[in-house]
Amino acid sequence: DAGVIQSPRHEVTEMGQEVTLRCKPISGHDYLFWYRQTMMRGLELLIYFNNNVPIDDSGMPEDRFSAKMPNASFSTLKIQPSEPRDSAVYFCASRGLDEKLFFGSGTQLSVL
Amino acid sequence: RKEVEQDPGPFNVPEGATVAFNCTYSNSASQSFFWYRQDCRKEPKLLMSVYSSGNEDGRFTAQLNRASQYISLLIRDSKLSDSATYLCVVKHSSASKIIFGSGTRLSIRP
Repeated sequence: DAGVIQSPRHEVTEMGQEVTLRCKPISGHDYLFWYRQTMMRGLELLIYFNNNVPIDDSGMPEDRFSAKMPNASFSTLKIQPSEPRDSAVYFCASRGLDEKLFFGSGTQLSVL
Repeated sequence: RKEVEQDPGPFNVPEGATVAFNCTYSNSASQSFFWYRQDCRKEPKLLMSVYSSGNEDGRFTAQLNRASQYISLLIRDSKLSDSATYLCVVKHSSASKIIFGSGTRLSIRP
């Protein structure tokens, strides 16, 4: 298994632009999580899905952030419009029945 | 107050030393507990689950105290390769929500 796959690995964009982060979970995992990591705030849970349905999006910072999971093998996290304070590493993780979380390599986002 | 609290460190200890980290959680409905390890510029990876009776995996021992809402990790005979950030992780019982502490940085010196 290739593990959780995220793209892009790095994204540099200008303030006001739309940013789309992508994630492919491990096949057979029914939970998908999006986290954001910064030095100041650590790893913050943004949203998670169970069987493609959003369960808790209380961690999504603002309406500028949205996430979708159209099928079991794909999810996106979108920021529109982006701001410099959105700069962080965004991780996607998936989980199966054994409760173990497997993370992707993350997307390093820089908003100038 | 954060739901999962950890001492950020850094802990700087010599090779071969024993080091212990603590973590407290505030949600009494928490059901499952874990320690993850994160190397610099890498993704977090599961180190070990934490069971009520305590558990050991080689040089690593994890303990859980539900009454005090407290989790610990003990590393014996530390190696240079143990240098990393250690993240305390809590899963809620009802909602399957998984919350991470901010991590404790460990640096092992020769």
